[in-house]
Amino acid sequence: TQLLEQSPQFLSIQEGENLTVYCNSSSVFSSLQWYRQEPGEGPVLLVTVVTGGEVKKLKRLTFQFGDARKDSSLHITAAQPGDTGLYLCAGFNTNAGKSTFGDGTTLTVKP
Amino acid sequence: NAGVTQTPKFRILKIGQSMTLQCTQDMNHNYMYWYRQDPGMGLKLIYYSVGAGITDKGEVPNGYNVSRSTTEDFPLRLELAAPSQTSVYFCASSYRKADRVRSQETQYFGPGTRLLVL
Repeated sequence: TQLLEQSPQFLSIQEGENLTVYCNSSSVFSSLQWYRQEPGEGPVLLVTVVTGGEVKKLKRLTFQFGDARKDSSLHITAAQPGDTGLYLCAGFNTNAGKSTFGDGTTLTVKP
Repeated sequence: NAGVTQTPKFRILKIGQSMTLQCTQDMNHNYMYWYRQDPGMGLKLIYYSVGAGITDKGEVPNGYNVSRSTTEDFPLRLELAAPSQTSVYFCASSYRKADRVRSQETQYFGPGTRLLVL
């Protein structure tokens, strides 16, 4: 069974602070996705990383895929209240033929 | 495109009642999924389908059934509702892309059905 562990599970910060969320596994993934879920809605894809060591930026969000394609991080610079939500990582393994979701990090950004 | 639609948005059931959660996608995706999400938690896979006529169990299939007679529809059936099935249910569909280097999957989620079993 492939597991994706996300940390921290909960994070509460003040507006303007920086933060990093981690997604770790002992398994290698073909690609890894980050989703954000706002209260009362379904998850929405933020980014997909495919190559080991890849870094992608989405405004104030920076995503990195580990060199060995087993882990990933999401860094948010100068967090805003609109960043509040549940952040989920999901790894896709070609051999297993499916995606595995982490349990998520619940982020609260206070004004 | 409407994407993935789910009905109903909210439902209260009594213990032992049955119901069907509807899910439809208009993106012609082969893969479809049902997840449940308990408060403050991540997604647990209930059932999935790789195409019309093919379904398989996920992590937590007990108490649920599915069918996939068309590409578009993937209903989830609860036969004897129990309080443990109180949750938010998400349906998703996906496409997979593969090139010489890597393969990847993007899942598109519906807005969810909130179910309360009393």
